[in-house]
Formats: sequence, structure tokens, C-alpha cells
Amino acid sequence: QVTLRESGPALVKPTQTLTLTCTFSGFSLSTLGVSVNWVRQPPGKALEWLARIDWDDDEYYSTSLRTRLTISKDTSKNQVVLTMTNMDPVDTATYYCARILLDGDHGFQFDPWGQGTLVTVSS
Amino acid sequence: QSALTQPASVSGSPGQSITISCTGTSSDVGGYNYVSWYQQYPGKAPKLLIYDVTKRPSGVSNRFSGSKSGNTASLTISGLQAEDETDYYCSSYTDSSTLIFGGGTKVTVL
Repeated sequence: QVTLRESGPALVKPTQTLTLTCTFSGFSLSTLGVSVNWVRQPPGKALEWLARIDWDDDEYYSTSLRTRLTISKDTSKNQVVLTMTNMDPVDTATYYCARILLDGDHGFQFDPWGQGTLVTVSS
Repeated sequence: QSALTQPASVSGSPGQSITISCTGTSSDVGGYNYVSWYQQYPGKAPKLLIYDVTKRPSGVSNRFSGSKSGNTASLTISGLQAEDETDYYCSSYTDSSTLIFGGGTKVTVL
């Protein structure tokens, strides 16, 4: 069974750096075609893709947030970490991690997702 | 890169069919067969409904189907049921090797 779970602070202050961890099981991030992604959703608003790290260590970022994001992986711990600098109240959102399995039968779809973690940015 | 364009809301009566559109560009929806659709209930994580434009994961009702024409993808819900009333999002791979979502559509069952 494939599962993902997000963890991190529920509250951060403006200008601080947010660090979120995605801990997963049921698959390996060293397997060809596997990637872990971060997606966020402000309250009452749409989903927004943030970043992706692939099995071969390639990293991809949202164009609008590229300068503030860093994604990394620890394959031995089955974890992916996302850091976002200079947090602002507009970054208040539920942050999700999700797997992509790219193979002959599957393309770039997010499945499954973690339950999400709500991060509030406030002083 | 701007979000894919979805109608804010779509409604239909029980038993009817409705279609949600998802419009992008030749750099995303039109350029790849990597469009996926998600269903999201309030307070829950999104759930995959359709992937690779037309494919349905095991366990997803065959009342959900996907298609694409040019830069516009579509999700059709047939035999609309009360339980279908919630939010739906499309997503696409892009030529920048990134992913992009639509703005979301709220489906109302009348």
C-alpha cells in the first residue's frame, strides 16, 4: 500500500522559512519513473503545483515561486523535504505531497496524495 | 504560467450528464496527453479520477470519462448523482517539465 504523510509546523511567522517533510511508504524514490511532488491549496482556493523531485535527483519548480523553494530527498529515510523562504500570510495554505509514477501505463498524474498539512503564516 | 481555465461552476439534475472544460495552450494541454482530473471533497485530499486524458483508475466509476480536443480537455459525468456534488480540478504536464492545475469547478446537483 502506497501512503504519504506531510509533517511540519502549523504556524510560522512572516519572513521565516518553512520546512515541510513528506514521509512515504510502499514505494522507493530510487525507482525509475517515480517522483514526489508538493502541491498547496489556500483556504477556499485552487490547487497550486509547487515542486517535484525525480528518482534521478532532477528538481523542477513552479516558475512563480522558484526563487523561494528548495526540494530535496533522503532515499534511505523515504522522505522528501520542501523549504520555502520568506513566508508571507498569502502562503497560508494546506500543503500536500503526492506521488507521480511515470511508466508505460501512467503519465504525470498525482496518485496517491497525502492528507495535507495546514500551515498558517501569522505574526 | 497561468492556471488552466475551468468554469467556476457547473450544475445539472440527477441522472443528467454534465461536462467540465479545461482550457490551456499548446504548451500544456494541447501538447501532451498528460491531462488528469481530480475530485476533492471539503477538507479532504484530491482523488484521481482520470489520467492520460481518457484513462480511469481501477475503482473509479465508469460514469466519469475524459476527452481532449486541441487545447481543451473535458471531464464528463454521466448519470449525475448527489454524491458528485463537490469540486473538480484538471492538471496538465507542460513543456517546461512542470505541472499546472486548473482553477477548479464546483459541481452542483440540482
